[in-house]
Amino acid sequence: QSVLTQPPSASGTPGQRVTISCSGSSSNIGTYNENWYQQLPGTAPKLLIYSDNQRPSGVPDRFSGSKSGTSASLAISGLQSEDEADYYCAAWDDTLKSPVFGGGTKLTVL
Amino acid sequence: EVQLLESGGGLVQPGGSLRLSCVASGFTFSSYAMSWVRQAPGKGLEWVSGISGSGGATYYADSVKGRFTISRDNSKNTLYLQMNSLRVEDTAVYYCAKDLSASGSYGGATFDIWGQGTMVIVSS
Repeated sequence: QSVLTQPPSASGTPGQRVTISCSGSSSNIGTYNENWYQQLPGTAPKLLIYSDNQRPSGVPDRFSGSKSGTSASLAISGLQSEDEADYYCAAWDDTLKSPVFGGGTKLTVL
Repeated sequence: EVQLLESGGGLVQPGGSLRLSCVASGFTFSSYAMSWVRQAPGKGLEWVSGISGSGGATYYADSVKGRFTISRDNSKNTLYLQMNSLRVEDTAVYYCAKDLSASGSYGGATFDIWGQGTMVIVSS
């Protein structure tokens, strides 16, 4: 049981906009910055969004993050086949005094 | 190029030990906190342990506390994870990850560089 809650799966067709949610609490998302990671099949995770809505260099602006209260969302617009991957949210947790991850969402591009 | 390269994984019997290494290049290693994150087969990401840039502060998940020890040698740009009393449930790919912030202190979940991972299999 992960501290952060994500839907196990999501899907969309090429060109569509999809969102992935991440629900937490006041001890993590409600207080600290939210981060999102993309893990393509067979590869290491990659930082996709940090500080709620910042993109590292090289990440397309099709990817965006937002946060409201104790929940966060990752939005992917103009969905492409290469976006098919697992997506994880993560935040610092002040109760556990450690980083915590969501269980991951498998995105399928139909 | 900023890079992390793990090694040391393998097959070990329950109760055994392994030492993982992660060699860093392309950045000032001592300026950054580092972490180990693992992923069991078909499962999600789990933070295992973290260490400040100086090595003076270490942190562990409850699942490994008392069995695993994180350390670093800044003169060798290398991060370590000594794993003792290994259990079947420790079977996973272990990734080392670099903190985004150059503060050197530990206290976030923003890992901007990840290694390729090293597989640890605990089985009899």
